[in-house]
Amino acid sequence: DIQMTQSPSSLSASVGDRVTISCRASQSIRRYLNWFQQKAGKAPKLLIYGATSLHSGVPSRFSGSGSGTEFSLNISSLQPEDFATYYCQQVDSTPLTFGGGTKVELK
Amino acid sequence: DVQLVESGGDLVQPGRSLRLSCAASGFTFRDYEMNWVRQAPGKGLEWVAYINSRGNTMYYGESVRGRFTVSRDNAENSLYLQMNSLRAEDTAVYYCARDGRLSGIRSLDFWGQGTLVSVSS
Repeated sequence: DIQMTQSPSSLSASVGDRVTISCRASQSIRRYLNWFQQKAGKAPKLLIYGATSLHSGVPSRFSGSGSGTEFSLNISSLQPEDFATYYCQQVDSTPLTFGGGTKVELK
Repeated sequence: DVQLVESGGDLVQPGRSLRLSCAASGFTFRDYEMNWVRQAPGKGLEWVAYINSRGNTMYYGESVRGRFTVSRDNAENSLYLQMNSLRAEDTAVYYCARDGRLSGIRSLDFWGQGTLVSVSS
């Protein structure tokens, strides 16, 4: 199975900050990497698919990069509604494993 | 609008069975692959199962393989998860999620609100 490792597991940031979350795969997954946002008590929402493509309706301050084993999710200017937990998921092969999550909290 | 509504979650004893349902609306259900994903209390997301659009190809996570069965009824626009031999570690919120296959890439683009399964004696 492909293991997905996210870092950091949590971070504190202020409104307006630029935030970067990393995700590493245990083997190459090409560009088959998706990012999700989850707020407390709610279902996850798809942000980025195929490592770099923005899902419909997602603000342009979110962006994704990477390929192979190293990926990043960037938020260019953190907004109050962005405080949440973020997950990466590899979709290259089953089982479709998730990273452990990164909780973004208000500093 | 796309809607996925899970039901069937309950408190059950270890070793017992439970069947979850997911009612789909707002899209042509028979055209889409579907997944189940779970989240234990205070923990991260765990992919559980996948079924293709025709219902003849399924994949499972290692922790549920041999105990859980995913199925679908395209005439009823419904997805199911039959869970047997339940364990305490199966306690979680279970989500059904549509695979939108965006640009040909597996993409869980719509999720239900989840249904809680608690396994305890």
